[in-house]
Amino acid sequence: DAGITQSPRYKITETGRQVTLMCHQTWSHSYMFWYRQDLGHGLRLIYYSAAADITDKGEVPDGYVVSRSKTENFPLTLESATRSQTSVYFCASTKNRARREQYFGPGTRLTVT
Amino acid sequence: EDKVVQSPLSLVVHEGDTVTLNCSYEVTNFRSLLWYKQEKKAPTFLFMLTSSGIEKKSGRLSSILDKKELFSILNITATQTGDSAIYLCAVYSGAGSYQLTFGKGTKLSVIP
Repeated sequence: DAGITQSPRYKITETGRQVTLMCHQTWSHSYMFWYRQDLGHGLRLIYYSAAADITDKGEVPDGYVVSRSKTENFPLTLESATRSQTSVYFCASTKNRARREQYFGPGTRLTVT
Repeated sequence: EDKVVQSPLSLVVHEGDTVTLNCSYEVTNFRSLLWYKQEKKAPTFLFMLTSSGIEKKSGRLSSILDKKELFSILNITATQTGDSAIYLCAVYSGAGSYQLTFGKGTKLSVIP
């Protein structure tokens, strides 16, 4: 039971580069989420998706783009990385009903130099 | 703006102690409150509470919600070093919203 996986687990990139973080879940969960976790801020929602081809902004969407062409995948792209996007990124998913417990992936630690 | 506040921010206890972690919230149209445990990796789900006054329990951990006073507590009895972690509180709110608003967490350290 693979559950929810993220890749890469660690990434160092330079300012201005485009970076894509991958998220894959094997549960066929409808809802998927991207969070970032920073000291002093806790977990903040970037984007979420209720189903394939349905996405919506969260609390901190600026500078990020998402897509969801398949139920199981939810990639997050930083179009032009900035140092302020250095963070730990978590993907999460939840079952077909909204407002249930979310299950988190292992996280991607991204450093923008 | 929805707000979830956890206290204390950090706590150091000895093995065997009982601890109480607090979570208060100010949100529009409260739906449910969730507790997570985060060690050096992803948050793992502990409890979800939707009704006031009902206690959820799992082994040495228990949690209760007070919807009138807008807070929840997480109790851990007979603490062990393996309980050392950051405990996160999060709230679902608003009609049609699928966003979880998280508190900043309480860092619990249990020393032998």
